[in-house]
Amino acid sequence: SQQGEEDPQALSIQEGENATMNCSYKTSINNLQWYRQNSGRGLVHLILIRSNEREKHSGRLRVTLDTSKKSSSLLITASRAADTASYFCATDNNDYKLSFGAGTTVTVRA
Amino acid sequence: DVKVTQSSRYLVKRTGEKVFLECVQDMDHENMFWYRQDPGLGLRLIYFSYDVKMKEKGDIPEGYSVSREKKERFSLILESASTNQTSMYLCASSPLAGDGTDTQYFGPGTRLTVL
Repeated sequence: SQQGEEDPQALSIQEGENATMNCSYKTSINNLQWYRQNSGRGLVHLILIRSNEREKHSGRLRVTLDTSKKSSSLLITASRAADTASYFCATDNNDYKLSFGAGTTVTVRA
Repeated sequence: DVKVTQSSRYLVKRTGEKVFLECVQDMDHENMFWYRQDPGLGLRLIYFSYDVKMKEKGDIPEGYSVSREKKERFSLILESASTNQTSMYLCASSPLAGDGTDTQYFGPGTRLTVL
């Protein structure tokens, strides 16, 4: 069943600006992952944050996790046209499966 | 690089036809998954397999079956296609990390239209 819920559903920003999207989930998790999907393609893993971590960085990506609020945020700094995609959070309950949210569609304008 | 391939990018079938979607991964992953993706609903798990000949139902298995005869291949079968099965189908695989960090690797997807 769907656990994560991303907010906002869609986001439009100018190239060079930062993009922030949020994910809320319902039950306790083992870890949380973020994936990117370019139009009409499969998903690509971006970053994983464990339940005992609060913040993680990877290049221009910054992920935070607040387990007390059951929420996570993904920040993309200095956005580029190539960042135009849909972004999904996925929670892992340590049972092989991931539960994905409905995604945030990000459009970066030149 | 992990590679997950799906047999078709686009497929058009008629109502009542039996449809086979094939997925192959080349990284010796134990786990394989089939999802469908619909606008506004995100990814929903249809079936998954954690070993050869093993399968488990996901959240929406009705109308679907799967087959995993070899470790690298996981097939999704629509026994009698219906128009409400028109969707994007995504296959994924993951290694058995054993520590809960089961990153999934996705294929490019098959956009199935049932007329």
